[in-house]
Amino acid sequence: DQQVKQNSPSLSVQEGRISILNCDYTNSMFDYFLWYKKYPAEGPTFLISISSIKDKNEDGRFTVFLNKSAKHLSLHIVPSQPGDSAVYFCAASGLGGSYIPTFGRGTSLIVHP
Amino acid sequence: DTGVSQNPRHKITKRGQNVTFRCDPISEHNRLYWYRQTLGQGPEFLTYFQNEAQLEKSRLLSDRFSAERPKGSFSTLEIQRTEQGDSAMYLCASSSGTGGWEQYFGPGTRLTVT
Repeated sequence: DQQVKQNSPSLSVQEGRISILNCDYTNSMFDYFLWYKKYPAEGPTFLISISSIKDKNEDGRFTVFLNKSAKHLSLHIVPSQPGDSAVYFCAASGLGGSYIPTFGRGTSLIVHP
Repeated sequence: DTGVSQNPRHKITKRGQNVTFRCDPISEHNRLYWYRQTLGQGPEFLTYFQNEAQLEKSRLLSDRFSAERPKGSFSTLEIQRTEQGDSAMYLCASSSGTGGWEQYFGPGTRLTVT
């Protein structure tokens, strides 16, 4: 029973264009959402987060959008750079789970020069 | 701040042997987490410590798995009588538990059980 779903295993984007990574969740108790980036042979690195009291959070080229009614969030990367090529994990947490995040399966982003 | 470190980075063992992994969290972080990750999956929660107290364990954590965090500093994860299904990347993460809930991960220990 996957509570956090990333339905696109991979995404290919041209350098300079926008990358949009999507994530859906099923547990309405989740109220804090995070995105992590993972390079091969490294652990995941925290990228950006959003609380359920907001619908948007921006940090440089990275913006996360949250649609609570649809239980959907997305990560936008603008403009995409080849160094952004990595696996991106969506994670969700909430009080009911002691704020221990539940991770999706990840989306592999490839940014072509 | 040297980040989260894990040792060893790779471990190959024969089925039935015991293995122990170590995690050193970021020094001021009082929360420490262990995860397991297999190919094509995201990290799956195993167990969580706040200081030296083990507060939560996943159903994934069978009786063959045990974790400790003496004195609330480094942590060890031991797997007894390893099975081939234990082959995975074992990730450790720490967090401060205040402010944001983001966790900082180590590079992981890759376990291969032959």
